[in-house]
Amino acid sequence: EAQVTQNPRYLITVTGKKLTVTCSQNMNHEYMSWYRQDPGLGLRQIYYSMNVEVTDKGDVPEGYKVSRKEKRNFPLILESPSPNQTSLYFCASSLSMTDTQYFGPGTRLTVL
Amino acid sequence: QQPVQSPQAVILREGEDAVINCSSSKALYSVHWYRQKHGEAPVFLMILLKGGEQKGHEKISASFNEKKQQSSLYLTASQLSYSGTYFCGTVRLDSNYQLIWGAGTKLIIKP
Repeated sequence: EAQVTQNPRYLITVTGKKLTVTCSQNMNHEYMSWYRQDPGLGLRQIYYSMNVEVTDKGDVPEGYKVSRKEKRNFPLILESPSPNQTSLYFCASSLSMTDTQYFGPGTRLTVL
Repeated sequence: QQPVQSPQAVILREGEDAVINCSSSKALYSVHWYRQKHGEAPVFLMILLKGGEQKGHEKISASFNEKKQQSSLYLTASQLSYSGTYFCGTVRLDSNYQLIWGAGTKLIIKP
């Protein structure tokens, strides 16, 4: 089944404790992206990757890192999480920027 | 700069029509439309590209006015399943393929 998977789905952590949210797609997509969603603000892009060699900052990259060592995986890293990073996070992938984006199920992160 | 969606919310009776608008202050390369139901991930509806190409579902229609940097999503004969929040995303001509999303339009369909 074609899908984007994210893990964990739910995470409660404390300020400063490094964490990684994994994202994996099995559709051989070139383009992958991370978003955060907060009430009233819609989706905001954190980082995106056009392909394995090109990764760029989105709208709200501060406090986040990403890695695209292989086509299928695009983990999101929070080196020192803070409470303002409490949010719902979505990973998405597509063949290209002008194709359908397939979203993962979301990761609800709470930073205390 | 975030595209502006209007209206912010709309309530319809089943069978009525709705139009959701998306406006940008900059020239656009593409406009993307997605629908999200509560607690779920966004789902693709349509992509409209500069030059007139469209990719999307047959039952969804939309327009893209390149000169005005505006797009509209047309929902006709609405069904209960159309309920949700609709987001437009835009890729500007002067950006490096960064996709920026509007704040969303909440659509409620009543029987």
